[in-house]
Amino acid sequence: DQQVKQNSPSLSVQEGRISILNCDYTNSMFDYFLWYKKYPAEGPTFLISISSIKDKNEDGRFTVFLNKSAKHLSLHIVPSQPGDSAVYFCAASASWNNNDMRFGAGTRLTVKP
Amino acid sequence: NAGVTQTPKFQVLKTGQSMTLQCAQDMNHEYMSWYRQDPGMGLRLIHYSVGAGITDQGEVPNGYNVSRSTTEDFPLRLLSAAPSQTSVYFCASSYGVREEETQYFGPGTRLLVL
Repeated sequence: DQQVKQNSPSLSVQEGRISILNCDYTNSMFDYFLWYKKYPAEGPTFLISISSIKDKNEDGRFTVFLNKSAKHLSLHIVPSQPGDSAVYFCAASASWNNNDMRFGAGTRLTVKP
Repeated sequence: NAGVTQTPKFQVLKTGQSMTLQCAQDMNHEYMSWYRQDPGMGLRLIHYSVGAGITDQGEVPNGYNVSRSTTEDFPLRLLSAAPSQTSVYFCASSYGVREEETQYFGPGTRLLVL
């Protein structure tokens, strides 16, 4: 039972435009959410996180939005750059520790020059 | 710092063979974990360790053993490989176990079991 779902396996956008990656979850107990970025032949790297007490968190070109009532979070990248081309995973945790984290299957983002 | 290193990068096994996937980190992190990634699925936690001498099971522990004799190393052992264990394996570490602690991942080991 996948508690964290990324329904779009892939997304293609033009350089300079906005990329919006979506993630839905089913467990209402999740209270901490993260996005990881993964390049080929490398491990995932942490990108940005958000606690359930917030609905938005920004870090440079990356903004994560959380809609708890819809059990939905999204990652906005503005403006998109070719170097952003990677697989993006969302993850969620229902407890205070890393042992309980659940990951989505990932969305492959391609940013075209 | 090398960060989190994993060896080998790629391995082919026959059903029933055993092997050990190596993981090491040089960041003095207490928390280490092993995940597997299968097509169409997210990362799933196999085993984790909150410090030397302490290990515990994650979401999908069957068929795997771990030990943590030092802070730096966290090997994952496949006792009798099965085709269902074909996957990409990632080792990760973090300073602590809290969810806010950033996990650092190794580059992965791609395992094929025939």
